Amino acid sequence: GENVEQHPSTLSVQEGDSAVIKCTYSDSASNYFPWYKQELGKRPQLIIDIRSNVGEKKDQRIAVTLNKTAKHFSLHITETQPEDSAVYFCAASPGGSNYKLTFGKGTLLTVNP
Amino acid sequence: EADIYQTPRYLVIGTGKKITLECSQTMGHDKMYWYQQDPGMELHLIHYSYGVNSTEKGDLSSESTVSRIRTEHFPLTLESARPSHTSQYLCASSDPNPGGGYTFGSGTRLTVV
Repeated sequence: GENVEQHPSTLSVQEGDSAVIKCTYSDSASNYFPWYKQELGKRPQLIIDIRSNVGEKKDQRIAVTLNKTAKHFSLHITETQPEDSAVYFCAASPGGSNYKLTFGKGTLLTVNP
Repeated sequence: EADIYQTPRYLVIGTGKKITLECSQTMGHDKMYWYQQDPGMELHLIHYSYGVNSTEKGDLSSESTVSRIRTEHFPLTLESARPSHTSQYLCASSDPNPGGGYTFGSGTRLTVV
């Protein structure tokens, strides 16, 4: 089955700096890669996703890049703000009607004002 | 508003009691999932369902059971609660299109004393 590794497990940055979280996956059949943000005491929420036919996707201050050859994908947050502080999860899934997501272990991002 | 709802939000219960955690979604999703989330953040898949009368065990062994008699309803039952069951339980559902992201419920924080 799929195995997703996520690094780092904790990340502390100063407000305004950039943050990068990296994930690797094992199943070459995986073609869908979402990222979730979970604020303290709240539910995980989808913030951005990318499919294997795309190398990069941006949404305001967040971007995701995908390297299918190396089987890794990354989340980039620019101009970080204190409200970006949360746990971030990456995930991967192969296609097919009975797919399910395999999650990384999470990264606790702290943005210091 | 279409969403996924979990009740109760918090539950404190004595050892040996039977409990049912409720999960309902109004999005028409076929696929539903239960995750156990420990204080270390990681999401552990304990049960999933691809539709009515379909239930499967997840990656993490669990003493809980689930049922899927109606599309919108996916309750989780513990026949005899133990302190080791203390955790946060998150329900999720996913878009019927292959490769769709998950929508999570707000979770039930269970404490067994």
